[in-house]
Amino acid sequence: EPEVTQTPSHQVTQMGQEVILRCVPISNHLYFYWYRQILGQKVEFLVSFYNNEISEKSEIFDDQFSVERPDGSNFTLKIRSTKLEDSAMYFCASSELGPNTGELFFGEGSRLTVL
Amino acid sequence: TQLLEQSPQFLSIQEGENLTVYCNSSSVFSSLQWYRQEPGEGPVLLVTVVTGGEVKKLKRLTFQFGDARKDSSLHITAAQPGDTGLYLCAGAGTSGSRLTFGEGTQLTVNP
Repeated sequence: EPEVTQTPSHQVTQMGQEVILRCVPISNHLYFYWYRQILGQKVEFLVSFYNNEISEKSEIFDDQFSVERPDGSNFTLKIRSTKLEDSAMYFCASSELGPNTGELFFGEGSRLTVL
Repeated sequence: TQLLEQSPQFLSIQEGENLTVYCNSSSVFSSLQWYRQEPGEGPVLLVTVVTGGEVKKLKRLTFQFGDARKDSSLHITAAQPGDTGLYLCAGAGTSGSRLTFGEGTQLTVNP
């Protein structure tokens, strides 16, 4: 069964360092997303991406964050200068259709720990 | 800002009992999805409801979308220990591409 894969599963970094989280969405899906979940809190939307551009971003997704689809398969989330409060589980998701009617498939997540 | 409130937050029951989890909002959603999340893993989609008043059944799980598309419920019949997990509801707005998640209901089914 096709699945969304994410790497790394866990990354520990120092405050101020750049981090890149990688995702391989399901191959025929057209919509890509990043969500995050701080420990003990709800899953929060960060950004959606369609047709090689950001279609929507949340207030969390400030100038420190960027997304890219560098080739036909990978979808990356970059945090330019990490802060302690960026520590969270980051989930990539993809869908064939938009979320209004499409089903989102989530990856296993990348746990980011900022020290 | 759209909010989804789930209740109860925690639920511990005995095997064989029935339970209902509620997801409520003051906002209208174009669709509502239910997920199940295991510790350290991503949410796994259980069902999507789109039409107001829609009822979907998945074995012992029954999902209902409110007529006004502002609320939803998940009913589990004859719960089993394997049903233990975190159940999340998530709504898709009438515009935009984000899902708004509820806080989740942590269900524990004791043998």
